[in-house]
Amino acid sequence: DQQVKQNSPSLSVQEGRISILNCDYTNSMFDYFLWYKKYPAEGPTFLISISSIKDKNEDGRFTVFLNKSAKHLSLHIVPSQPGDSAVYFCAAEGEDTGGFKTIFGAGTRLFVKA
Amino acid sequence: NAGVTQTPKFQVLKTGQSMTLQCAQDMNHNSMYWYRQDPGMGLRLIYYSASEGTTDKGEVPNGYNVSRLNKREFSLRLESAAPSQTSVYFCASRPDWVSGYTFGSGTRLTVV
Repeated sequence: DQQVKQNSPSLSVQEGRISILNCDYTNSMFDYFLWYKKYPAEGPTFLISISSIKDKNEDGRFTVFLNKSAKHLSLHIVPSQPGDSAVYFCAAEGEDTGGFKTIFGAGTRLFVKA
Repeated sequence: NAGVTQTPKFQVLKTGQSMTLQCAQDMNHNSMYWYRQDPGMGLRLIYYSASEGTTDKGEVPNGYNVSRLNKREFSLRLESAAPSQTSVYFCASRPDWVSGYTFGSGTRLTVV
């Protein structure tokens, strides 16, 4: 039972255009959401986060949008650069009867073409 | 500025062998974690340590043990390796729930 889904395994975008990476979750207990970026042979690095009390958080070229009613979040990268080519993981966090949990999606591989 | 350091980077084991994956962080974080990453799946939590002296099971703890040696170090042990434990293992630490994890560069383990 995948509680956090990234339905697009890969995405290809032209340099300078917008990249939109999507993530859906199923459990209402999640109240904090994070995006991580991973290059080959490296560990994931924290990129940006958003609390459930907000619907948007922006950091430079990266913006995360949260639609709680749809249980959907997205990461926008504008403008996309070749160095953004990586795997992007979304993660959802929250507390339930089993304690605090972080659940990761399977990742989306972004290719930014020069 | 080392962050989270994992050793070794690569390892091949035969079924039934044992090994310990080492992890150390120099950021004075209280909590440390071991995750595994398998193709087509998100990172899954094996064990974590909320503070020095405590450890707890995560989502996939079977076949593993951990030791929080001190605030800096958190090791993961496979007592009798199985092919199902072939994976990439990431150690992580975190200062608080807002900041996100800091991950090590990973250990690619193959069990034959």
